[in-house]
Amino acid sequence: DGGITQSPKYLFRKEGQNVTLSCEQNLNHDAMYWYRQDPGQGLRLIYYSQIVNDFQKGDIAEGYSVSREKKESFPLTVTSAQKNPTAFYLCASSPHNYGYTFGSGTRLTVV
Amino acid sequence: DAKTTQPNSMESNEEEPVHLPCNHSTISGTDYIHWYRQLPSQGPEYVIHGLTSNVNNRMASLAIAEDRKSSTLILHRATLRDAAVYYCILAYTGNQFYFGTGTSLTVIP
Repeated sequence: DGGITQSPKYLFRKEGQNVTLSCEQNLNHDAMYWYRQDPGQGLRLIYYSQIVNDFQKGDIAEGYSVSREKKESFPLTVTSAQKNPTAFYLCASSPHNYGYTFGSGTRLTVV
Repeated sequence: DAKTTQPNSMESNEEEPVHLPCNHSTISGTDYIHWYRQLPSQGPEYVIHGLTSNVNNRMASLAIAEDRKSSTLILHRATLRDAAVYYCILAYTGNQFYFGTGTSLTVIP
């Protein structure tokens, strides 16, 4: 079945550590996105990529980094510069920004 | 980004119809109206979308005002599984989706 796989489902980070969240899709979608969701809030765009080897910052890119070396993969690194990383992270993909398919999310907690 | 306004929360009795409103007074002619819903601790899922005409699918119906400044998502018979946060989004091809805080729907048994 086609879809988006995010891993891990739960992730714990110590202060000062970088962590990488995985996002893989087999839908052959060109565009991929990372969103952050805080409790009781909507989704905020972190980074997006329209094509391989190209990506743009969203509204809250500070403290995050991404890469897009393959069409299927769009990993997100939460760096130590992100001072409040505890949140629910969602990856999505779409064919040319039309109709999103979301993964099941990664819940990141700072310990 | 084009913005939408939705009530923070709504309640419905089980097996009754639900009308979820959305205002989008700044909509442009090329903006599609999308609806997604999000169950707790899950990613949002597609519900329905439209441009000008009313739309129906197996999940819901979308009624779009003639001036396109508002729309209504209609769930014909609410079930407990429909309890979720519903997002109304404006988007055109090549633009990113902007998710507001949505409407939290509670279904009362």
